Amino acid sequence: NAGVTQTPKFQVLKTGQSMTLQCAQDMNHNSMYWYRQDPGMGLRLIYYSASEGTTDKGEVPNGYNVSRLNKREFSLRLESAAPSQTSVYFCASIRDRAQETQYFGPGTRLLVL
Amino acid sequence: KQEVTQIPAALSVPEGENLVLNCSFTDSAIYNLQWFRQDPGKGLTSLLLIQSSQREQTSGRLNASLDKSSGRSTLYIAASQPGDSATYLCATSGNQFYFGTGTSLTVIP
Repeated sequence: NAGVTQTPKFQVLKTGQSMTLQCAQDMNHNSMYWYRQDPGMGLRLIYYSASEGTTDKGEVPNGYNVSRLNKREFSLRLESAAPSQTSVYFCASIRDRAQETQYFGPGTRLLVL
Repeated sequence: KQEVTQIPAALSVPEGENLVLNCSFTDSAIYNLQWFRQDPGKGLTSLLLIQSSQREQTSGRLNASLDKSSGRSTLYIAASQPGDSATYLCATSGNQFYFGTGTSLTVIP
């Protein structure tokens, strides 16, 4: 049981490049989330998927797109990276948000030059 | 929009001391409140979850309380140890999850 896995662990991009961050969970959780963490800002929700086949915007969705590929996988895409997207990105999953805690992946550190 | 605040931003204590971390939130319409621990360069690990109908939860040396009406939660750590050094974050669960900016704790041997 690996929990929540994220790839890559670290990435450097040039402004304007695109990339996809991958997230997978093996806990049969219904909901999955993408956050970014910046110094002094805490974790902010980018997008979430309450169930397979649905996605919704969070607090800071601009510049990102997501895909809930199946129940296990939830990817985050940066179509045209900007320096303001330099951050640490965390994926999380949960079975029942009213009753249970989120499980987090180890994070992806992204640097946009 | 929910606003979650944690005070202090940083705390340094000698080993063995009992300490309290504070979390406040503006919207009391929550399912639950959670406390997480984050070690440098790592993801978040859940410590305690308090349902909105509960007043407190305990796990080992940790005790978390919730006063939903006043929008406050506290995390009490008894007999602190150097291994407790980490950043502690609280988060509310409602329509979305909202996190505080965390308290960075250093326990000095």
